[in-house]
This record gives sequence, structure tokens and C-alpha cells, in this order.
Amino acid sequence: QKEVEQDPGPLSVPEGAIVSLNCTYSNSAFQYFMWYRQYSRKGPELLMYTYSSGNKEDGRFTAQVDKSSKYISLFIRDSQPSDSATYLCAMSEGGKLIFGQGTELSVKP
Amino acid sequence: DSGVTQTPKHLITATGQRVTLRCSPRSGDLSVYWYQQSLDQGLQFLIQYYNGEERAKGNILERFSAQQFPDLHSELNLSSLELGDSALYFCASSAALLQGVGVAGANVLTFGAGSRLTVL
Repeated sequence: QKEVEQDPGPLSVPEGAIVSLNCTYSNSAFQYFMWYRQYSRKGPELLMYTYSSGNKEDGRFTAQVDKSSKYISLFIRDSQPSDSATYLCAMSEGGKLIFGQGTELSVKP
Repeated sequence: DSGVTQTPKHLITATGQRVTLRCSPRSGDLSVYWYQQSLDQGLQFLIQYYNGEERAKGNILERFSAQQFPDLHSELNLSSLELGDSALYFCASSAALLQGVGVAGANVLTFGAGSRLTVL
């Protein structure tokens, strides 16, 4: 079993839809939770960053962490074609960041 | 431009060969991380250096080695290459070690654009 599990998709939604992306994990030692966005042929870039449990909102993006269930989510409201990318969850343990497989999202105009 | 520079962007080589990938971290960042991204494995952590010293090791093969130099740039050496080594190799940098509570910004990694390695 991988430490971090993420459905690779692909996920296709119409413009304006609410998108829900999720990851589960097995290591209860993870404390920092991140979402990275990766456009085709580019390096991942940090989108959201949360510490421990709770919600964090940044514009159209909301990150949720439920440590009791070992489950994190990223919600995208009013999705746009420019949101089409691969979204990777990531969690930190000691000196390394462990990434999920990434979910490929396509937002259709 | 993220500020993390990786060279070369693309590299095609043959099995059994050796290649070196180079990374210059963002100005002021002391930590360098190497990741391998393939279609079936996703983004896999290889190794981390902090200010010239190895700090964490992931699933790095014995055929692979890395180092960080006094000017903080890093090199990833891949030898006895196999077809399965074909992948995108990313370098990332951060200001400090990945640590827990209280180190603001320590967990923020900035990635380069990657080096695409094709082994034929």
C-alpha cells in the first residue's frame, strides 16, 4: 500500500463546476499538507498549504484536512479552463515530501 | 520562471550510459531535492541535500548518486542506464530543512522545469 493514495483520474468537468479532489494517507505522522498544480511539461507549483486539521480558503480554492480520517481534499469553485492541469497532493514527513499520484483535471469550456 | 534552473531540458541516451543532470536552486535556498516522475510511479522522492550535506534519502537506486556543491548547485548522476530510467527528473529547492512546527516556509518547495531523460 502506498503512503499516499490519489485517484489519477482523468476527471473532466464543464466550466463553472465545483471540483473535488481527494487524497488518503496512512502515515499519522504527516503534519503538513499541500496541493501542487502541474501544467503539462512544467514543474509542480505550490497551490495551497495547510498545517494539521482544518480548512483553508484562497480565492476559488479550499483545502480541507481531516487527520482523524487521514483524508485531505481540494475544492475548486467556478472552475475555469485554465484550471486544467494535474493536481498533486503532498505531505511532509521529516526531510521529505511524499506526493500522491496526481489527478488529471480537464475543465471544458 | 520559478528561479530553479535545471539543465539539460531534454536528454536522449542509450542503455548502459551515464548522464549528469544539473540544478541551480532559487537564490537563497539551501535545500535541494531530487524527484523522479514517471507515468506509472508518479513523483518519487530520490534524495535531499541541505547546505552541502545529504539529509534524506528516498527510493534512489544505487546506480544513482547526487551531490551538492559549495555554491549550492546540485548534480544528479545516473549510471548504467536502463530503459526504465526514462522519466522526468525534477529538482526543487526550499529555504530550509523540511521540519515540523514553527519553521515558516520550510515546507514550500519550488520546482524547476525538469529534465526529460529518454533511454533507448
